Amino acid sequence: DAKTTQPTSMDCAEGRAANLPCNHSTISGNEYVYWYRQIHSQGPQYIIHGLKNNETNEMASLIITEDRKSSTLILPHATLRDTAVYYCIVSLPPLSGGGADGLTFGKGTHLIIQP
Amino acid sequence: DAGVIQSPRHEVTEMGQEVTLRCKPISGHDYLFWYRQTMMRGLELLIYFNNNVPIDDSGMPEDRFSAKMPNASFSTLKIQPSEPRDSAVYFCASSSGWPTEAFFGQGTRLTVV
Repeated sequence: DAKTTQPTSMDCAEGRAANLPCNHSTISGNEYVYWYRQIHSQGPQYIIHGLKNNETNEMASLIITEDRKSSTLILPHATLRDTAVYYCIVSLPPLSGGGADGLTFGKGTHLIIQP
Repeated sequence: DAGVIQSPRHEVTEMGQEVTLRCKPISGHDYLFWYRQTMMRGLELLIYFNNNVPIDDSGMPEDRFSAKMPNASFSTLKIQPSEPRDSAVYFCASSSGWPTEAFFGQGTRLTVV
């Protein structure tokens, strides 16, 4: 069973903020939320991760709801190069027991930035 | 650092042949992951290692697949015998500690005819 639910595809205008939602209603207390993206024909690229607090780095912001059942990845000023498949992943740390599974990717959201 | 290096980038082989994919992780990283990507199944985690020790191989599809990590700077994924349904892009990734970002290689595109 998938741990996360994401829309299949989204469009966003170039220069606008892209807000990508992710539902992870069955997340456990020590599972982290990760976001990766994959540009066509390349390996996945790490974007950001968090546990409870909102996080920001040079690429994006991650907003996690207080109950941790959903999160939103925000690309503040989308460019054409941000067109990619975006994956939201929840994961236990390896070696923590209970079936830690590393990073398991779902179907992701295909984000298309329109000029 | 040159990043995670995979070889070969492309491999075409005949059904029944042995195929070996290679990965050099980023120096100092203690986790190594092998993934397979197809249109039908997306990105699948096959196996991952910590400090050269296999931790979870539950994603390895069947006994035809095997992975080794003889030292911290090298890992192999072997398929013997190969079948057409093994055709996919195979990615290797490494990371330092947990949780942290995993760095992916450019992948090996395997075609079994």
